Amino acid sequence: RKEVEQDPGPFNVPEGATVAFNCTYSNSASQSFFWYRQDCRKEPKLLMSVYSSGNEDGRFTAQLNRASQYISLLIRDSKLSDSATYLCVVWVGTASKLTFGTGTRLQVTL
Amino acid sequence: DADVTQTPRNRITKTGKRIMLECSQTKGHDRMYWYRQDPGLGLRLIYYSFDVKDINKGEISDGYSVSRQAQAKFSLSLESAIPNQTALYFCATSDLAPTSLDSSSYNEQFFGPGTRLTVL
Repeated sequence: RKEVEQDPGPFNVPEGATVAFNCTYSNSASQSFFWYRQDCRKEPKLLMSVYSSGNEDGRFTAQLNRASQYISLLIRDSKLSDSATYLCVVWVGTASKLTFGTGTRLQVTL
Repeated sequence: DADVTQTPRNRITKTGKRIMLECSQTKGHDRMYWYRQDPGLGLRLIYYSFDVKDINKGEISDGYSVSRQAQAKFSLSLESAIPNQTALYFCATSDLAPTSLDSSSYNEQFFGPGTRLTVL
């Protein structure tokens, strides 16, 4: 079983739609959680951290459920520029280890 | 100018050749990392270095070696390249790890633009 699992997609949505991505992780010692964005053939960049209380950054909302070892990302009012691959990333601080999911590809269309 | 640079950006080589990928950073970070990315596998850690005198193996270090020449430079070598080392390679940097377990104090890793390596 992969340490971090994501649906690879692609998710094809029209502009303005709301789309949600999910991610599960297997290591219960995981301490910190993030969503990274990666454009085609480019480097990953941090999109947002994920907290148990849930957090929002503009059109993006992230949620963490530690009991279910589940992370989500909600994108509202999708823009063409949101088209990218979204990587679920988990940090195990005691091991100084960052584990990446394989990513979920989003394509926003007109 | 980019904070984390990698050279070369693209490289095609033959089986058995020695290849060096270089990474430089101007962020002043102590920690540097090498990852490879393969379709369907995500990014996997090859080696990491917490300072100039500290080198650690990641999950897939076999067939690779590294050199931390200075705080700002971290090189990855493939002593004898093989086709299954064809991948996209990323260098990353981060500041010192947080002493707190609070997720909000995690120090972000900043990635270079990547090197696309093809081994024929």
